[in-house]
Amino acid sequence: DTGVSQDPRHKITKRGQNVTFRCDPISEHNRLYWYRQTLGQGPEFLTYFQNEAQLEKSRLLSDRFSAERPKGSFSTLEIQRTEQGDSAMYLCASSLELQGSGTFGSGTRLTVV
Amino acid sequence: AQSVTQPDIHITVSEGASLELRCNYSYGATPYLFWYVQSPGQGLQLLLKYFSGDTLVQGIKGFEAEFKRSQSSFNLRKPSVHWSDAAEYFCAVGPRDSSYKLIFGSGTRLLVRP
Repeated sequence: DTGVSQDPRHKITKRGQNVTFRCDPISEHNRLYWYRQTLGQGPEFLTYFQNEAQLEKSRLLSDRFSAERPKGSFSTLEIQRTEQGDSAMYLCASSLELQGSGTFGSGTRLTVV
Repeated sequence: AQSVTQPDIHITVSEGASLELRCNYSYGATPYLFWYVQSPGQGLQLLLKYFSGDTLVQGIKGFEAEFKRSQSSFNLRKPSVHWSDAAEYFCAVGPRDSSYKLIFGSGTRLLVRP
């Protein structure tokens, strides 16, 4: 078990470009979560999946953001037409249903220039 | 509104001294409670969690936290700080439905003097 893996670790993109991040959860975990952390703040919940079903989306997740977990394993988070305000650390976590806590990955740091 | 308050943005302690990081929350019902630690550029590591039972919770790295329902607090403590404890600490609360949709505080940065 290698924990939760996120790729890439860092991404620099120009404003207006699309970016996609990947998260590989712990293999037996059926729940997967995305959080966003801006500088000097705690993480904020964005969305979560149980298996391949997206169960909840935060109001923070504008229509430029889309997340998928097509086979109930890895997940992708895509941001279209990036804006400078999207610059943040994007954290993924996974857990087992009814576990009540989970494991975080090391995050993808996005910088929009 | 649901929220977590960590009133201390920065705390500096000398190595070997005791530590207490404060956390207060506002939530509709008693939530699950967590403390995480984050080193620069890294993800979050779970230090400890409270779900039910004994209100004094032991965690990793010698940390403990005490849940006080009457004060809506979940303060983190360590009797003797090591230089390697320098990091950012986050308190978080989550619903008791195990959905792990956590609400985090804004963090307390711990600096350790040699």
